[in-house]
Amino acid sequence: GPKVLQIPSHQIIDMGQMVTLNCDPVSNHLYFYWYKQILGQQMEFLVNFYNGKVMEKSKLFKDQFSVERPDGSYFTLKIQPTALEDSAVYFCASSLLGGLEQYFGPGTRLTVL
Amino acid sequence: AQSVTQPDARVTVSEGASLQLRCKYSYSGTPYLFWYVQYPRQGLQLLLKYYSGDPVVQGVNGFEAEFIKSNSSFHLRKASVHWSDSAVYFCAVSVSHQGGSAKLIFGEGTKLTVSS
Repeated sequence: GPKVLQIPSHQIIDMGQMVTLNCDPVSNHLYFYWYKQILGQQMEFLVNFYNGKVMEKSKLFKDQFSVERPDGSYFTLKIQPTALEDSAVYFCASSLLGGLEQYFGPGTRLTVL
Repeated sequence: AQSVTQPDARVTVSEGASLQLRCKYSYSGTPYLFWYVQYPRQGLQLLLKYYSGDPVVQGVNGFEAEFIKSNSSFHLRKASVHWSDSAVYFCAVSVSHQGGSAKLIFGEGTKLTVSS
């Protein structure tokens, strides 16, 4: 099926540092998403993004979080500064249209020390 | 509020046996429903989806699910499981937002173990 790529697969950083998670969505998809999964728990929605804009964000999407996709390149999630509670696996997803099936990347495991 | 409930955190079945994983959702809009599978240290893979029409939908690897509107349920079934089906299964509902966007609300997941 369609592939979503995420770079890096693992990231370890010190609390307070900035981190950028990169996602290469399915090429013709228009909607992009970030989800957060803490080990052993359910997947939780962070934000969705369409036409260069955030459409909806959850309460987990703190002020320290930002997303962008400059000129059709990677769809990125930036956290600045990071906190211990940001340690989780972050999954990127994309869909052709809002509401349709979303295709997920393999995730980036973020560890904040 | 929108939610998805998977009441069984863990299910163990013998190889070759039939399987049902339960899912109930709460959403006032038109439900678009999904089952995803997550293998260890991997992302989610789409098993099947329901948008409208025939309430029984077929997915990959012999999985199917039935949408029962009156019960707000979307249970996953398989006639004969294989050891490779061992994984975590997530049920999800798509919740629409303004501007055509949407988000997935996931259940807690059911960890399936297939024993030989």
